Amino acid sequence: DTEVTQTPKHLVMGMTNKKSLKCEQHMGHRAMYWYKQKAKKPPELMFVYSYEKLSINESVPSRFSPECPNSSLLNLHLHALQPEDSALYLCASSHRTGWWPQHFGDGTRLSIL
Amino acid sequence: AQTVTQSQPEMSVQEAETVTLSCTYDTSESDYYLFWYKQPPSRQMILVIRQEAYKQQNATENRFSVNFQKAAKSFSLKISDSQLGDAAMYFCAYGQGGSEKLVFGKGTKLTVNP
Repeated sequence: DTEVTQTPKHLVMGMTNKKSLKCEQHMGHRAMYWYKQKAKKPPELMFVYSYEKLSINESVPSRFSPECPNSSLLNLHLHALQPEDSALYLCASSHRTGWWPQHFGDGTRLSIL
Repeated sequence: AQTVTQSQPEMSVQEAETVTLSCTYDTSESDYYLFWYKQPPSRQMILVIRQEAYKQQNATENRFSVNFQKAAKSFSLKISDSQLGDAAMYFCAYGQGGSEKLVFGKGTKLTVNP
């Protein structure tokens, strides 16, 4: 069983919808990450939060909006997505940034109609 | 910038046999970590094994072991007594000490034949 929990597991949305992905961990980790993974490709880093503050934004379009309300929770708010945004979105956490390893969740499979 | 190369897009092995997946990396740093992650079709990225660069001894986790050749910048994964459940995409990854970024290779798809 994964210690990083992501919901929902699947999400289908239209390009005009607003939805959110949720990630939760209770390992006391203070670093959390969002990755995007296309089929048969490695994950690509999107955002890094350290102590609930955004520390890295890898030039992600503004239609993706991350939020870290507390040390256990990480959200990714989605709005006006494009078909090319269809992918697996993985959340990960680590003890601190720069501390290894990162622990991954099961991911949310996102499909944009 | 650090890079990770997995030269085998696909590999196959017979059940109960041994298979080795290759990984090379490029870095000029001395403080780093290397990982093998397994991603089955169920899609969870599972940490299989980790190696700290400062440790000379090769890491081992049950049927999984690595051959860490620091001078050659090589980090191969050996799976012994392969099982059907080992079938997955395997990613080699590099983590710099103090850095937030995990650098992945392109992955090797492992098929286990009964």
